Amino acid sequence: RKEVEQDPGPFNVPEGATVAFNCTYSNSASQSFFWYRQDCRKEPKLLMSVYSSGNEDGRFTAQLNRASQYISLLIRDSKLSDSATYLCVVDTGGFKTIFGAGTRLFVKA
Amino acid sequence: GAGVSQTPSNKVTEKGKYVELRCDPISGHTALYWYRQSLGQGPEFLIYFQGTGAADDSGLPNDRFFAVRPEGSVSTLKIQRTERGDSAVYLCASSLTIGNEQFFGPGTRLTVL
Repeated sequence: RKEVEQDPGPFNVPEGATVAFNCTYSNSASQSFFWYRQDCRKEPKLLMSVYSSGNEDGRFTAQLNRASQYISLLIRDSKLSDSATYLCVVDTGGFKTIFGAGTRLFVKA
Repeated sequence: GAGVSQTPSNKVTEKGKYVELRCDPISGHTALYWYRQSLGQGPEFLIYFQGTGAADDSGLPNDRFFAVRPEGSVSTLKIQRTERGDSAVYLCASSLTIGNEQFFGPGTRLTVL
């Protein structure tokens, strides 16, 4: 089993739609969780950290479920500019960070 | 301020050659990470430094790969006897300290012919 698993997609959604991604992780000792965004042929950039209580940043909401060992990302009112690959990132209980393979999102006009 | 920079941006080499990839982190960042990314995959952890020391090098694929950070700032990833399977984008990231947000450089695209 991979340490971090994501549905690769692609997710094709119209503008204004709500879309959700899940990510599962295998190491129960993991403490830090993040979502990064990566545009085509660009470097990853932090979208948001994921806290135990869940957190929201504008149209983006991240949730953590420790019991089931997954994190989620919800995007509301999708914009064309949201088209990208979304990477789930988990530490291994130390500070080594493991990236998922990414979920591709295409938002259509 | 300046972000993370990596040189060269592209490197084409022949099988069996030696290459060095350089990373300049954000000034003041103590933690530095190296990743390798192949097409359609997420970044694969190679090694990270806290200061000058390699705190975790468990991701280095084999002993052909080595990285240094002698003064706690610039880092160099060294690959000996390159193989075609080493072709990938090599990403460097830095963070203020371990566990904080990582800021990535633009990467070095390595092609081994």
